[in-house]
Amino acid sequence: EVQLVETGGGLIQPGGSLRLSCAASGFTVSSNYMSWVRQAPGKGLEWVSVIYSGGSTYYADSVKGRFTISRDNSKNTLYLQMNSLRAEDTAVYYCARDIRYCSGGSCYEYFDYWGQGTLVTVSS
Amino acid sequence: DIQLTQSPSFLSASVGDRVTITCRASQGISSYLAWYQQKPGKAPKLLIYAASTLQSGVPSRFSGSGSGTEFTLTISSLQPEDFATYYCQQLNSYPNTFGQGTRLEIK
Repeated sequence: EVQLVETGGGLIQPGGSLRLSCAASGFTVSSNYMSWVRQAPGKGLEWVSVIYSGGSTYYADSVKGRFTISRDNSKNTLYLQMNSLRAEDTAVYYCARDIRYCSGGSCYEYFDYWGQGTLVTVSS
Repeated sequence: DIQLTQSPSFLSASVGDRVTITCRASQGISSYLAWYQQKPGKAPKLLIYAASTLQSGVPSRFSGSGSGTEFTLTISSLQPEDFATYYCQQLNSYPNTFGQGTRLEIK
């Protein structure tokens, strides 16, 4: 059974750092694309970052240069290192398995499994 | 960045109703669109991908259509468990933006 469990959230002061973890079971993180999505309290979903199976990474402009996505293949775990945190980074952070498949000359993606989320609160 | 605009933002309907939610993209995204359902305090759940492909295990009352810039999610006969917030997501290019959401409530 596929399962994703996020940990590492909490209360942090502006300018501080935090590392989120997403432990996966039932599949191999390094063989898949993996993404982080966040949701500010009472707001909609915001895509944050993706790491490809080959290791390429992409970020939303709002976090570029401050957040780093990575993985530990031996632990089958995805990470999000968050530095220089701001009040506007306050959100529930979800990790998701990002499936990419190709058919008929086009390649499609979707997020089929999500973790339960971990709350990050940036406040003094 | 590609903007997605959902309409309506809020929808009140009754059990058994047929409802349609629209998602419009600011530029063409072919069929690179997914739909998710989210209930309070829970993670989003995938319903539809590639604009019209039903995810395994999702009831057949859910369907998706469209391509280019206009997409729809239809629920043919609302069930009590369908009252939730629905989001579209484009996966044509980064950032993979989401629509602002459509909150579906019981009338």
